[in-house]
Amino acid sequence: DAKTTQPNSMESNEEEPVHLPCNHSTISGTDYIHWYRQLPSQGPEYVIHGLTSNVNNRMASLAIAEDRKSSTLILHRATLRDAAVYYCILLSTNFGNEKLTFGTGTRLTIIP
Amino acid sequence: ETGVTQTPRHLVMGMTNKKSLKCEQHLGHNAMYWYKQSAKKPLELMFVYSLEERVENNSVPSRFSPECPNSSHLFLHLHTLQPEDSALYLCASSRIVAGGPNEQFFGPGTRLTVL
Repeated sequence: DAKTTQPNSMESNEEEPVHLPCNHSTISGTDYIHWYRQLPSQGPEYVIHGLTSNVNNRMASLAIAEDRKSSTLILHRATLRDAAVYYCILLSTNFGNEKLTFGTGTRLTIIP
Repeated sequence: ETGVTQTPRHLVMGMTNKKSLKCEQHLGHNAMYWYKQSAKKPLELMFVYSLEERVENNSVPSRFSPECPNSSHLFLHLHTLQPEDSALYLCASSRIVAGGPNEQFFGPGTRLTVL
């Protein structure tokens, strides 16, 4: 499985944008880039995914580098409820290979 | 509320007990998963069921026995566990379609303590 590299922790001030980086230099052409987050005492929740183009949804934006070897999850205006561990995961589009391989993620702390 | 429920939410058991964890999804998904999250370790995939067939078993000890009687229910039967098996056990489900990224929906987990 292709690996991802994320910083262990980041801090951000409330109501400011947050950019969470992820490196995936060994990504293959069939790998989607997924982001999940895990709030304290909860199971992980899906945030966003993309393949080649930048993506936006109600939770966040995903900016994907042109060579696809890195990506950035953008929270446009962080709130205290965004404090969580954020996981960047590569998921193959090959049918029958839907394994999510979680790393250690980035622990995001929001400062009031 | 993700549409995936797990019971019980907390479980304390002795090493000689037999217990079962239950997971139920109301999303019409065709794949279900068991994950284990130990303290300070990444989530580990344990089992995958796709269309009610087990398609993945990540070298999990036989003291963990999964069961998927239908596409909506998943069980994890536990027997003669060890204290190091204490962890958060998470269930997830997804709808697998060919060529598509399959978002997984997670339950809240069962916090298991083995004494």
